[in-house]
Amino acid sequence: NAGVTQTPKFRVLKTGQSMTLLCAQDMNHEYMYWYRQDPGMGLRLIHYSVGEGTTAKGEVPDGYNVSRLKKQNFLLGLESAAPSQTSVYFCASSYGLSPSYEQYFGPGTRLTVT
Amino acid sequence: KNQVEQSPQSLIILEGKNCTLQCNYTVSPFSNLRWYKQDTGRGPVSLTIMTFSENTKSNGRYTATLDADTKQSSLHITASQLSDSASYICVVSADLAGNMLTFGGGTRLMVKP
Repeated sequence: NAGVTQTPKFRVLKTGQSMTLLCAQDMNHEYMYWYRQDPGMGLRLIHYSVGEGTTAKGEVPDGYNVSRLKKQNFLLGLESAAPSQTSVYFCASSYGLSPSYEQYFGPGTRLTVT
Repeated sequence: KNQVEQSPQSLIILEGKNCTLQCNYTVSPFSNLRWYKQDTGRGPVSLTIMTFSENTKSNGRYTATLDADTKQSSLHITASQLSDSASYICVVSADLAGNMLTFGGGTRLMVKP
């Protein structure tokens, strides 16, 4: 049982390049989330999904797209990377949408955009 | 706007000593408050969760308190160990907002031998 995994762990992009971050969970969770963590700031929600085939915008969705084609996978895409997207990206999943359900986090992807 | 403020931003203590981290929040309507531990290069891991009616919750050497009237929480670490070196994040959930979380900026704790 690996929990939540993320690939890649590190990536360096040049401005304007595109990439996709992959999140996978093996807990059969319905809900998945993408966050970014910047120095001195709390994690901020980018996009989330309440089930296979569904996505919704979070607090900071601009410049990102997501897809949830399979229940266990949640992809985060950057179509044209910008230096402001340099951050650490965390994926999380939860069994339910109620606040009583814990969110389980992946190990993170450190992205640098030059 | 929902906000969670933590203090101090960073803290250095000697191994074996106790410490207390603070969290103030303005999340409404309140559902629950969690403390997470985040080791360097890892994702956050939940330590405790408290609802409105709970004043204190312990997890080993970690004890969290909650004062819902003043909207304050604290995390007390007893007999610190080197492995306690990490960032501690206060996270508050608003009721009726699904599983949407408001994160504090964290307190970076370093425990020195």
